[in-house]
Amino acid sequence: AQKVTQAQTEISVVEKEDVTLDCVYETRDTTYYLFWYKQPPSGELVFLIRRNSFDEQNEISGRYSWNFQKSTSSFNFTITASQVVDSAVYFCALSAPSQGGSEKLVFGKGMKLTVNP
Amino acid sequence: GAGVSQTPSNKVTEKGKYVELRCDPISGHTALYWYRQSLGQGPEFLIYFQGTGAADDSGLPNDRFFAVRPEGSVSTLKIQRTERGDSAVYLCASSFTGTGPDTQYFGPGTRLTVL
Repeated sequence: AQKVTQAQTEISVVEKEDVTLDCVYETRDTTYYLFWYKQPPSGELVFLIRRNSFDEQNEISGRYSWNFQKSTSSFNFTITASQVVDSAVYFCALSAPSQGGSEKLVFGKGMKLTVNP
Repeated sequence: GAGVSQTPSNKVTEKGKYVELRCDPISGHTALYWYRQSLGQGPEFLIYFQGTGAADDSGLPNDRFFAVRPEGSVSTLKIQRTERGDSAVYLCASSFTGTGPDTQYFGPGTRLTVL
């Protein structure tokens, strides 16, 4: 069975602080994909990044960076110099080929980030 | 281009009633997913369509839940004899093919409240 654990449920920081969101996953599949989504107060899930299991290169996109380590089954997300607009719930998710070709996502419980001015 | 749209945005119903929730995916996306998100939780998979057929319905909680996608585009999630425990946000997502590393793009959701 696949499982995603986001141990932190809520973090509050002051603007310009760096913050890291942890994600640990479990799967028996050798081919799988990892995702991060952002859910702002408006409620719509916004895609941030997708990583496949064969690509352990870290990625940076502006103030966002991701660290994928298969050895520890982790896919952590760091926001550098946080801003108030980063306030949202962040979800880590996992998918692997399954029934009928489905790439259904298994989500963690989410981590609520509040960035205070 | 237009994203995934869902209607209604909010639905309040009484226990025992029947409801239909609609999803209009991104044009050209053949794969469509329904998820359910309870308060304080991550979305949970319900059903996956590839074209017109439900290729994976392993997430449907019971036979009160049913979904269709008759023309391979718009999908309707149908819930019979609603129960208070069905209250949640129902999310729809679409992706280009549903296979390989396709990203799922989500709609704004329908908030269902069963009184």
